Amino acid sequence: QVTLRESGPALVKPTQTLTLTCTFSGFALNSGGVCVSWVRQPPGKALEWLARIHWDDEKFYTTSLKTRLTISQDTSKNQVVLTMTNMDPVDTATYYCARTMVAGPNYSFDSWGQGTLVTVAS
Amino acid sequence: SFVLTQSPSVSVAPGKTARITCGGYDIGGKVVHWYQQKPGQAPVLVIYYDSNRPSGIPERFSGSNSGNTATLTISSVEAGDEADYYCQVWDSTSDVVFGGGTKLTVL
Repeated sequence: QVTLRESGPALVKPTQTLTLTCTFSGFALNSGGVCVSWVRQPPGKALEWLARIHWDDEKFYTTSLKTRLTISQDTSKNQVVLTMTNMDPVDTATYYCARTMVAGPNYSFDSWGQGTLVTVAS
Repeated sequence: SFVLTQSPSVSVAPGKTARITCGGYDIGGKVVHWYQQKPGQAPVLVIYYDSNRPSGIPERFSGSNSGNTATLTISSVEAGDEADYYCQVWDSTSDVVFGGGTKLTVL
């Protein structure tokens, strides 16, 4: 059974750095064809893809936030970590991690964590 | 950047067929995935690779993709299908792109 769980602070102040951890089980990130991604959703708004890390440690980021995002993995702990610098109130959102299936250049998210709400406020 | 356009809302009576569209330039040349998201819950993949259903997804859910429009069709709609639905593609310039979502209301 594939499970993912996000953890991190519920509240961060503007300009601070957010660190979120995705702990997963039921699959291995070191097998080809599997990635882990982060997706966020501001309250009442649409999903927005943020970043993806591949089994070979290749990393991809959404262009608009590339300078603020870092994704990394700890295969020994089955964890993927996302950091976002210089947080702003507009970054208030539910942040999801998701197992990402890869076939050629196509990516689909077949399992999701329950999400963690991060509020940015002073 | 590649843009996916979805109607904000679709309403349908129980037992009828709901069609949720996702527009994008030559989207028929891309692979489309669809997600269902109920209030307070994480999204769930309901259609992948245009028209395939993951295990556990009812046969009432189907997908098609051609030209500039992909369509998620839900037949014999039930009250439990009420949710937000998102389409998603990968694009060579934008990477992963989600549509703006469509709220399905069951009357």
